[in-house]
Amino acid sequence: GAVVSQHPSRVICKSGTSVKIECRSLDFQATTMFWYRQFPKQSLMLMATSNEGSKATYEQGVEKDKFLINHASLTLSTLTVTSAHPEDSSFYICSVILAGVETQYFGPGTRLLVL
Amino acid sequence: GEDVEQSLFLSVREGDSSVINCTYTDSSSTYLYWYKQEPGAGLQLLTYIFSNMDMKQDQRLTVLLNKKDKHLSLRIADTQTGDSAIYFCAVRSNDYKLSFGAGTTVTVRA
Repeated sequence: GAVVSQHPSRVICKSGTSVKIECRSLDFQATTMFWYRQFPKQSLMLMATSNEGSKATYEQGVEKDKFLINHASLTLSTLTVTSAHPEDSSFYICSVILAGVETQYFGPGTRLLVL
Repeated sequence: GEDVEQSLFLSVREGDSSVINCTYTDSSSTYLYWYKQEPGAGLQLLTYIFSNMDMKQDQRLTVLLNKKDKHLSLRIADTQTGDSAIYFCAVRSNDYKLSFGAGTTVTVRA
């Protein structure tokens, strides 16, 4: 069964609004989650590492004030795209690492369209 | 950072074997993965191999790793129409971060 869920699966918003995307690990605790974005027909680019109980670590070139990450519990990380613009339209995917398991499991992704 | 390269497209006849190739640059990579992505969906982990292994087989999937040449391949035996998808090679660094290739679009024709 699914290991990771994301909500919503699709969202359309107006330019200038903020959008929150949730990533949940199902039935297990995840101290570390990753957020990626994927443009059409392109690969995944790591945006940030979400650490439970501490600040997220952002990759070079990713604006931390633009993409707010909150990892408030061991099963939930949220990504908020603030003041969204059309160029933020993308497919956002989270992943989790299970303790003691050398793999990353990915969520089903959230399609964001900013008009 | 890590550079991971894959060929972009592969067309294969149903029932034949598919071979997807991947090269990477970081010799300290510990784990290497193959993921499958169908249209509009997230990534599905297919298989992975630890860097001290040369080969791993799991049903129709065979992973070969040539660590000296930094070359990874995925062979899909008896390719079916349901295997049509994008396949990503990913390499893990010591901090658990994954670097992905651009993805190989596999098209299975009847």
